[in-house]
Amino acid sequence: EAQVTQNPRYLITVTGKKLTVTCSQNMNHEYMSWYRQDPGLGLRQIYYSMNVEVTDKGDVPEGYKVSRKEKRNFPLILESPSPNQTSLYFCASSRVGAGGSVYNEQFFGPGTRLTVL
Amino acid sequence: SQQGEEDPQALSIQEGENATMNCSYKTSINNLQWYRQNSGRGLVHLILIRSNEREKHSGRLRVTLDTSKKSSSLLITASRAADTASYFCATVTRSYNTDKLIFGTGTRLQVFP
Repeated sequence: EAQVTQNPRYLITVTGKKLTVTCSQNMNHEYMSWYRQDPGLGLRQIYYSMNVEVTDKGDVPEGYKVSRKEKRNFPLILESPSPNQTSLYFCASSRVGAGGSVYNEQFFGPGTRLTVL
Repeated sequence: SQQGEEDPQALSIQEGENATMNCSYKTSINNLQWYRQNSGRGLVHLILIRSNEREKHSGRLRVTLDTSKKSSSLLITASRAADTASYFCATVTRSYNTDKLIFGTGTRLQVFP
C-alpha cells in the first residue's frame, strides 16, 4: 500500500530535550516536506527536499533541522524544543511532474502530535 | 503568508444536501488543489484544477476556478455523514523559478444524519 508513515504519532517532551520525528514514504517520490498545523494558521511549511541531499527552508524553519540521506526517509529534528513548537506535524511527499513541478498531488502522513512542556 | 482563504469557516448541513465551500486567493496561480482532513488526521488530496481549466468533476465533487476573480469553489453533492471533515484549498504559485504551495485555513463541514 502506497503510504507515508510518521513516528511517533504522539509525543510529550520537555523543553530542551532533543527529539526526532521520522518520516518514510514507499512511493519513490523525489519531493518530501514537513508542515506544522496550528489552529487558525492552517498548514505552514517547515522544510522541504527536492531529492537526496537537497533540502531547503520553508516558511517557518527556525528551531528545526532536517536531513535527506535516503530517498524514502526525511526526519525532522528538534535540537532544543521549546513550548512554541507544540503543534501537529505532517510529513508529505509527491512526485516531480512535468517541467519540474513538485506540487502535484501531495501524499500526507497521519501526523505527529507534539507537546513540549 | 496567507494565499488561500476559505469561506465559510464552518458549515453545517443535513445529509442529502449540497455543500459549497469557496476559496479566494491573491496572486496568479499554476494550479489549485482541494484537500480533506478528518479530525486530527493527515490531509487527503481530492482534486487538482489547473489555471487553464474552469471546471472539474470527481464523483460527487465539482470544483470550479475563476482566475479573473481569483476564486475557486468546491461543491459536494448529496452529502453524507462521512463527508464531515475540514476542507482546505491550496494554491501553487511560481516565484523565482520555485514552486510554492500555500494552504488556506480551511472550512469545517459538519453533515448531520
